[in-house]
Amino acid sequence: DAMVIQNPRYQVTQFGKPVTLSCSQTLNHNVMYWYQQKSSQAPKLLFHYYDKDFNNEADTPDNFQSRRPNTSFCFLDIRSPGLGDAAMYLCATSRVAGGVGTQYFGPGTRLTVL
Amino acid sequence: SQQGEEDPQALSIQEGENATMNCSYKTSINNLQWYRQNSGRGLVHLILIRSNEREKHSGRLRVTLDTSKKSSSLLITASRAADTASYFCATDGGKLVFGKGTKLTVNP
Repeated sequence: DAMVIQNPRYQVTQFGKPVTLSCSQTLNHNVMYWYQQKSSQAPKLLFHYYDKDFNNEADTPDNFQSRRPNTSFCFLDIRSPGLGDAAMYLCATSRVAGGVGTQYFGPGTRLTVL
Repeated sequence: SQQGEEDPQALSIQEGENATMNCSYKTSINNLQWYRQNSGRGLVHLILIRSNEREKHSGRLRVTLDTSKKSSSLLITASRAADTASYFCATDGGKLVFGKGTKLTVNP
């Protein structure tokens, strides 16, 4: 089945220790998104790739970086995680950028920062 | 802000009853989407309604959109325990912006 896969499902890291979350998709979609969702809050868009074009949200901290080496994979790098970065990180894809499109989400990675 | 605001924040009903959730937003949109999120999981797309549509159905789901009032509603008929989840509206004005969600509990 075509899908969006996130690994790992649970990640524990130490304060300040870099961490990488991964996302892969078999949908062959042009656009891949990363969202941060804190407990009982709305998912918040961090950035997205349209093919190789990277689009950062204005309020995304510099601590968050992303890489998309090919159509199928996208990575979220948190360079120096703080306690406030503990959250669920959701990867999503869509066939077209932003408007007029359904987004397909992975199951998420729950990040804990000790 | 374009962000949608869902109402109520939490809703608890009995199996078989209908559940209605509302969403209000502030700016013009291309479409409005509803998503479901089971606890600790990713979001699942339920339905998309375009700005020129007023009502849309999908199985037990009925969505309405009133662009003059900048509001939408999601009705789940004959609810089941498996419908227990958080429901988010997301406004699409070039990018998807999610509201804070309604937490629905359906009691058996």
